[in-house]
Amino acid sequence: DGGITQSPKYLFRKEGQNVTLSCEQNLNHDAMYWYRQDPGQGLRLIYYSQIVNDFQKGDIAEGYSVSREKKESFPLTVTSAQKNPTAFYLCASSTTRLGGKLFFGSGTQLSVL
Amino acid sequence: GQQLNQSPQSMFIQEGEDVSMNCTSSSIFNTWLWYKQDPGEGPVLLIALYKAGELTSNGRLTAQFGITRKDSFLNISASIPSDVGIYFCAGQDPNYGGSQGNLIFGKGTKLSVKP
Repeated sequence: DGGITQSPKYLFRKEGQNVTLSCEQNLNHDAMYWYRQDPGQGLRLIYYSQIVNDFQKGDIAEGYSVSREKKESFPLTVTSAQKNPTAFYLCASSTTRLGGKLFFGSGTQLSVL
Repeated sequence: GQQLNQSPQSMFIQEGEDVSMNCTSSSIFNTWLWYKQDPGEGPVLLIALYKAGELTSNGRLTAQFGITRKDSFLNISASIPSDVGIYFCAGQDPNYGGSQGNLIFGKGTKLSVKP
């Protein structure tokens, strides 16, 4: 089945550690996105990429990094510079033919040990 | 960053009742989307709206794109227990982000349904 796969579902980070969240899609979508969700809050855009080897900062990019080496993959690294990383992270993809519709993965819950 | 005003923040209703929620913005949007999120899962698209005044239904759900292009509402008729979840509106601002504009999300309406 086509879709967006995020892994792992749960992730724990130690202080000073970088962790990487995986996002893979087989929908042949051009654009991919990372959002952060905190309880009672809307989704806030971290990074997005509209084409391979190119990505742009969203509203809250500080402390995060991404890469887009393949169309199917858009991993997010939460660096030690992100002092409040505990959140639910959502990856999404879209294509211009869909008129802006985003399709989401099932999310990764990141917690600090 | 920009945000939409979504209301109400939460609703606690009896099974069978109708539900209404809305979103407003100071910016004009060219797309309105409504999503539902179950606990621990990603949001799932319910309805997409592309033209001012557009009224679209999906089963018991009905959504409208406001004439001013600055608001949208979602109605759920005859609610059932599986309607429980968080409903998000999202608007696409052509002046924000990439060439097609990025989505801006409301903070969500948490719906609880009592059997």
